[in-house]
Amino acid sequence: DVKVTQSSRYLVKRTGEKVFLECVQDMDHENMFWYRQDPGLGLRLIYFSYDVKMKEKGDIPEGYSVSREKKERFSLILESASTNQTSMYLCASSSPTGGHRGYTFGSGTRLTVV
Amino acid sequence: EDQVTQSPEALRLQEGESSSLNCSYTVSGLRGLFWYRQDPGKGPEFLFTLYSAGEEKEKERLKATLTKKESFLHITAPKPEDSATYLCAVPSNDYKLSFGAGTTVTVRA
Repeated sequence: DVKVTQSSRYLVKRTGEKVFLECVQDMDHENMFWYRQDPGLGLRLIYFSYDVKMKEKGDIPEGYSVSREKKERFSLILESASTNQTSMYLCASSSPTGGHRGYTFGSGTRLTVV
Repeated sequence: EDQVTQSPEALRLQEGESSSLNCSYTVSGLRGLFWYRQDPGKGPEFLFTLYSAGEEKEKERLKATLTKKESFLHITAPKPEDSATYLCAVPSNDYKLSFGAGTTVTVRA
């Protein structure tokens, strides 16, 4: 079964810490995405990547960076975590034209910053 | 700019009480419309893809339909296990998905 795997389901970090969220896909997809999801705000795109070593800002990139050194792995980095970054983070991947299923999502990482 | 609007925001149903969710969209050239189901604390899971007006897809108690301006997700005789948030999405011309805010369905036994 094809998969997008996020390294942690739950994380608790302290304000000011550098946080790494890891995402790995096994579908050989070119496109990878990071979203955050908050009640009442829906899914908001943070960063995306169409290829290795390539990244583009989404709608809310402030306070985040990303790394894509290998095709299958896309990492989201919170340079200095703040309480307003407490959220559910979702990684997704897709083929270049979206394919017949659109995105495949990971199970999500619930991050709490205290 | 592509826009996707879902209604209602929340829907509370009695078991067996059929209903419909709406997804209206504005895109410059439809390249498909996707429906996803999301359970609390989990990532969205793919349900259906619709490509052209008049198309219908079914899976168990769910049926998705598409017109030129909107899509409906019909839930027939729902059960408590159908409780979830249902998301629709359309791809832009660079194939990024624009998501609606979702409809949270609660089915009471």
